[in-house]
Amino acid sequence: DTGVSQDPRHKITKRGQNVTFRCDPISEHNRLYWYRQTLGQGPEFLTYFQNEAQLEKSRLLSDRFSAERPKGSFSTLEIQRTEQGDSAMYLCASSLGPSDRDDQPQHFGDGTRLSIL
Amino acid sequence: GENVEQHPSTLSVQEGDSAVIKCTYSDSASNYFPWYKQELGKGPQLIIDIRSNVGEKKDQRIAVTLNKTAKHFSLHITETQPEDSAVYFCAAIGNFNKFYFGSGTKLNVKP
Repeated sequence: DTGVSQDPRHKITKRGQNVTFRCDPISEHNRLYWYRQTLGQGPEFLTYFQNEAQLEKSRLLSDRFSAERPKGSFSTLEIQRTEQGDSAMYLCASSLGPSDRDDQPQHFGDGTRLSIL
Repeated sequence: GENVEQHPSTLSVQEGDSAVIKCTYSDSASNYFPWYKQELGKGPQLIIDIRSNVGEKKDQRIAVTLNKTAKHFSLHITETQPEDSAVYFCAAIGNFNKFYFGSGTKLNVKP
């Protein structure tokens, strides 16, 4: 399977704990995105990497959230001191595109569903 | 930023009928409009997209139309089948290649 892979698929944790999710993009895709999706809503943009550089962060991404893409391949999203409102599906997407083109399709993984007890 | 509105929120059709989902966007600079299908427990799957230099695009039973002047675009599914039942999302692209999604349309195709 050469699609976007996310791990774990499900995570249940107590409020206040830290969690980390991993995303493996499609091989050679230079762009990687994180989105958050709550029930009945469309995905909302969180952050964007071009290669290893984090170029954009949404205001949704509070200081409890941090994302990395250290070698321009896989990425991690960490949430510290989780809160009830963090319960959502966290989706990763990747795309391949030159730096001067912004009209490229994004391919999504199946997400990590986070439940905060 | 971009604002995308999608209608209807739910759509029920008989198998074999057509389904139409409409979206409007606010940023006239947006130039790329993908449509995604999301099944329960899965991530969104790209089904068709259109760029601003094109007015219509078709792929078998699926077509998308774009009216840049009015800032709206639509998804058309013909000869619907039960396996078309899912949630469909439209999106428009903003700066840094981020997508702004509509709130989704739950399509139910009755056999």
